[in-house]
Amino acid sequence: NAGVTQTPKFRILKIGQSMTLQCTQDMNHNYMYWYRQDPGMGLKLIYYSVGAGITDKGEVPNGYNVSRSTTEDFPLRLELAAPSQTSVYFCASGLTGLNTEAFFGQGTRLTVV
Amino acid sequence: DAKTTQPPSMDCAEGRAANLPCNHSTISGNEYVYWYRQIHSQGPQYIIHGLKNNETNEMASLIITEDRKSSTLILPHATLRDTAVYYCIVRVAGSSNTGKLIFGQGTTLQVKP
Repeated sequence: NAGVTQTPKFRILKIGQSMTLQCTQDMNHNYMYWYRQDPGMGLKLIYYSVGAGITDKGEVPNGYNVSRSTTEDFPLRLELAAPSQTSVYFCASGLTGLNTEAFFGQGTRLTVV
Repeated sequence: DAKTTQPPSMDCAEGRAANLPCNHSTISGNEYVYWYRQIHSQGPQYIIHGLKNNETNEMASLIITEDRKSSTLILPHATLRDTAVYYCIVRVAGSSNTGKLIFGQGTTLQVKP
């Protein structure tokens, strides 16, 4: 059971380039989340999804887009990379309801130069 | 959203119990308290969660006060591998019941030999 898988693990982007961070889970979870973590800080919620076809903004959505065409996949898109988007990005998934834990991937470390 | 307050750092001697406090005075009746930890820059790891009763699992115990305004995570016999940032999170119900996990700054626990 792979759990939550993120690719790539590391990436260096130039300013203005675009890329997609991939996240897939094999636990049939309805809920999926994207977080970013800047050095020495806590995690900030970027976007989340409560099911296929449904997405919503979190705390820091500017500069990002998401889609949820399947239950398994929740890609995060950066259209015009900026140095402020240098961060570690974590994807998570969980079952419906407040009484269930969320599981996190191992992160993608992104540097924009 | 309910907010949590944690001390920024704590020390604990190896083999002793580590007691990590958390205040969540604005918690609503149906919102759960979750604890996660993050070792180095790995993905957050679920520890335990509860609503109003004390909870125990193989990793830790969670003590929630009767008024639910605060809680304590107890690691009964801390080891060096328990050195990490510990996050206390109130899983937000909200109007759409999406169950977002909103992270604060956490407590850095240093377990010393």
